[in-house]
Amino acid sequence: DIQLTQSPSSLSASIGDRVTISCRASQVISTYLNWYQQKSGKAPKVLIYAASTLHSGVPSRFSGSGSGTDFTLTISSLQPEDIATYYCQQSYGIPRTFGQGTKVEIK
Amino acid sequence: QVTLTESGPVLVKPTETLTLTCTVSGFSVRNPSMGVSWIRQPPGRALEWLAHIFPNDVKSYQTSLETRLTISKDTSRSQVVLTLTNMDPADTATYYCARINIFDDFWSAYFLDYWGQGALVTVSS
Repeated sequence: DIQLTQSPSSLSASIGDRVTISCRASQVISTYLNWYQQKSGKAPKVLIYAASTLHSGVPSRFSGSGSGTDFTLTISSLQPEDIATYYCQQSYGIPRTFGQGTKVEIK
Repeated sequence: QVTLTESGPVLVKPTETLTLTCTVSGFSVRNPSMGVSWIRQPPGRALEWLAHIFPNDVKSYQTSLETRLTISKDTSRSQVVLTLTNMDPADTATYYCARINIFDDFWSAYFLDYWGQGALVTVSS
């Protein structure tokens, strides 16, 4: 199985800060990497797919990059509504694993 | 409007079989670019992918649960069913179904673009 390791597990940042979350795969997965946002008590929502494609309706402050084994989700200017847990998911191998999540809080 | 709705028991006993139904609307499970996946999330923990089924009936399962999981679909009812046998308290979780949106046909790579609200299942005697 492909393991996805996210870092950090949690972070605290101020409104307007640039936030970066890392996701590292245990093997090469090309660009078959998606990012989801999950707010408390809600179902996840897709933000980015294929490593860098912004899903329809997602604010442009979210961006994704990377290929191979190392990927990054960036929030260019943190907003109060971005408080959530973020997950990466690979769509290269079976099973389609998720990372362990990164919780983003406001400082 | 695309919607997915999970239904099933709220409480199951250890060793029982869980059957969850995902009823979809706003898209067809016959659409060649779409399918349905099941994901679960134990309280306070991370998401865990469980299984998927494509319109051509290709199915895949979580490795650690493969002997206990079955996914199937009833196209006429627009439903996808997940069964998990021999339930254990460790299977207590919110179970989600989600629509698969394929972005790479060759690799069947996809993202999950619509999710149900989730169904909390507790395993306890």
